[in-house]
Amino acid sequence: SQQGEEDPQALSIQEGENATMNCSYKTSINNLQWYRQNSGRGLVHLILIRSNEREKHSGRLRVTLDTSKKSSSLLITASRAADTASYFCATDRDIGGATNKLIFGTGTLLAVQP
Amino acid sequence: EPEVTQTPSHQVTQMGQEVILRCVPISNHLYFYWYRQILGQKVEFLVSFYNNEISEKSEIFDDQFSVERPDGSNFTLKIRSTKLEDSAMYFCASSGGRTQYFGPGTRLLVL
Repeated sequence: SQQGEEDPQALSIQEGENATMNCSYKTSINNLQWYRQNSGRGLVHLILIRSNEREKHSGRLRVTLDTSKKSSSLLITASRAADTASYFCATDRDIGGATNKLIFGTGTLLAVQP
Repeated sequence: EPEVTQTPSHQVTQMGQEVILRCVPISNHLYFYWYRQILGQKVEFLVSFYNNEISEKSEIFDDQFSVERPDGSNFTLKIRSTKLEDSAMYFCASSGGRTQYFGPGTRLLVL
């Protein structure tokens, strides 16, 4: 079964620095998505990258995908205190018909110190 | 911007009681999901729903769980007889295609 694992488990940086989080998975995927979760709150969708894409940008976010290594990275540039949250990757395999379930990783807890 | 809403935000119940968690998905979405997150753990898939029927369910989604789309806007998750281990944050999500958009969650505490 698919299983996402993020590293590091926790990351503490200073405001203005870049933060890089990694995600690995085990089986072939259709899409990989990154979500943010503030403490005890809902999941906010950040970015989706398709299996045939290698890199995608959205504002201060840059996502890469290496399907040969079954891994992805999320880079947040010029971090702000408001970026403090847990970040999860989630993968899906679209098996035709209804959109498939998401399999979430374990998450990286990012703390941005002001 | 359209968003998924969930009610209630918090629910406390006694073991063995029935609970119904409610969700209003984004209006033009066709795919609906429930996930849960036990405190400190991963988000886990429970069930997906499309075209008025369950399209996939996990091992967690046993006979105590059911889902319904009673009208054109609501999507509900019912737990018939709650157990202590059902305590978790329950998230509803909806999708019009690839991206799944999540609601803010219902925190369920079973005593």
